[in-house]
Amino acid sequence: DAGVTQSPTHLIKTRGQHVTLRCSPISGHKSVSWYQQVLGQGPQFIFQYYEKEERGRGNFPDRFSARQFPNYSSELNVNALLLGDSALYLCASSFTSEYQETQYFGPGTRLLVL
Amino acid sequence: AQSVTQLDSQVPVFEEAPVELRCNYSSSVSVYLFWYVQYPNQGLQLLLKYLSGSTLVKGINGFEAEFNKSQTSFHLRKPSVHISDTAEYFCAVQTIIQGAQKLVFGQGTRLTINP
Repeated sequence: DAGVTQSPTHLIKTRGQHVTLRCSPISGHKSVSWYQQVLGQGPQFIFQYYEKEERGRGNFPDRFSARQFPNYSSELNVNALLLGDSALYLCASSFTSEYQETQYFGPGTRLLVL
Repeated sequence: AQSVTQLDSQVPVFEEAPVELRCNYSSSVSVYLFWYVQYPNQGLQLLLKYLSGSTLVKGINGFEAEFNKSQTSFHLRKPSVHISDTAEYFCAVQTIIQGAQKLVFGQGTRLTINP
C-alpha cells in the first residue's frame, strides 16, 4: 500500500514569493496534519484538517494557510515567504482525528527561501 | 501543556553495543507516546508507540521502550546496534488542543554508530 506522498520533494523560492505544497494521505485516512521542521529541531505542528474542516492550528502567522479536498488530499500555502520559512515541511495522515490515532508521515518537502 | 525533553542531543555508540535514548515528558492528562526515526534526508518513520496496556513496548528493527508513569519517562533501548541504526530519533507525546490532534516532539537525539 502507498504511504503518505508529498510533492514537490525540493523547492527553492525567493523572499516575498508564495509556495504551495501538496500531500496525499494513506488510502482510507481522513485526517491530514502539517508540521514544520527547522534544521536541528523537532517538528512543530502547523495545522490539522479532518473531513475537509480545520481542526486546529499551531503558533504560525496568517501567512500560512491550508485546505483539504474531497479526496482528503491537502495543500499547504505560505505567502510572503521569509528566510525563516526555510525548513522541511512534513505531512502526516491518520484514520481519524481521535486522540489515540497514530500519525504516519510522508517524506517531506524541503523548502529553501533565498 | 504537554512537553517532551530528550536528554541527550547526541549519542555515539560502537557497533553491537547496547544503547538507551532518554525521553521525559510532562502531561496533565492520559498520555500517548511515540518514538519516530528520521534517516538522513527522509521523513519520519514510526518506531513504536505506547497507548495503553503493557508498559514495555516492542517496535521495529529490534527497538523497545518502557513507559514509566512515576518517572514520566519513555526511554528507547536496543540491546545491540547496527551501522544502519545511524539516524535522528524523536520522542513525541500526542495531545488534543482545541480539538486538534497534535504531536509535541522533543528536540531529537542523533545516534551515531561507530564501527
